[in-house]
Amino acid sequence: AQSVTQLDSHVSVSEGTPVLLRCNYSSSYSPSLFWYVQHPNKGLQLLLKYTSAATLVKGINGFEAEFKKSETSFHLTKPSAHMSDAAEYFCVVGLRGGSQGNLIFGKGTKLSVKP
Amino acid sequence: GAGVSQTPSNKVTEKGKYVELRCDPISGHTALYWYRQSLGQGPEFLIYFQGTGAADDSGLPNDRFFAVRPEGSVSTLKIQRTERGDSAVYLCASSLMTTGSGANVLTFGAGSRLTVL
Repeated sequence: AQSVTQLDSHVSVSEGTPVLLRCNYSSSYSPSLFWYVQHPNKGLQLLLKYTSAATLVKGINGFEAEFKKSETSFHLTKPSAHMSDAAEYFCVVGLRGGSQGNLIFGKGTKLSVKP
Repeated sequence: GAGVSQTPSNKVTEKGKYVELRCDPISGHTALYWYRQSLGQGPEFLIYFQGTGAADDSGLPNDRFFAVRPEGSVSTLKIQRTERGDSAVYLCASSLMTTGSGANVLTFGAGSRLTVL
């Protein structure tokens, strides 16, 4: 069965410092993995996705994530946090086969950015 | 439209009442999805449509929940005999024709917040 675990429910960083949001996945096959961001009162927005091409994936707003099969991880990073990055971030694994519409979301990590 | 539109944005109802939530997907997107997000949790899959038919409704929690998409565009999620535990944000998303790869990119609406008193 597929699952995803976000290791931190809340991460707080200072503006200008690096961001690391951790995600581990479980999948019986090579997964499709995503990071989505949710700002208050706005829809979920795709940051980036991994679909078995390059293991280092670059997304919008300076975010990137690295797929590490040996560690079953897909951590999200950004070199320098901006105040506008404060939001909730979800790591997501996409299912294949019969349940094509089924994405499995992690519980989310709330990112706070201090001035 | 330019994005996925959901109405109402907020709905407060009493226990036992019937509720309808509407989703208007991006024009041309054949796949439409409903998710439910409870407080402090990630979204959970409810149902998805490929065109007019429900291709997978395995996430619907019980038979009080039902969704339709009669013309392959707008969808309505219907909840009968609402319970306090149904309180959540109901998210709709759409995508181009889905594939079996698990790599579909979904565009989400802002959600409908349902509160059952």
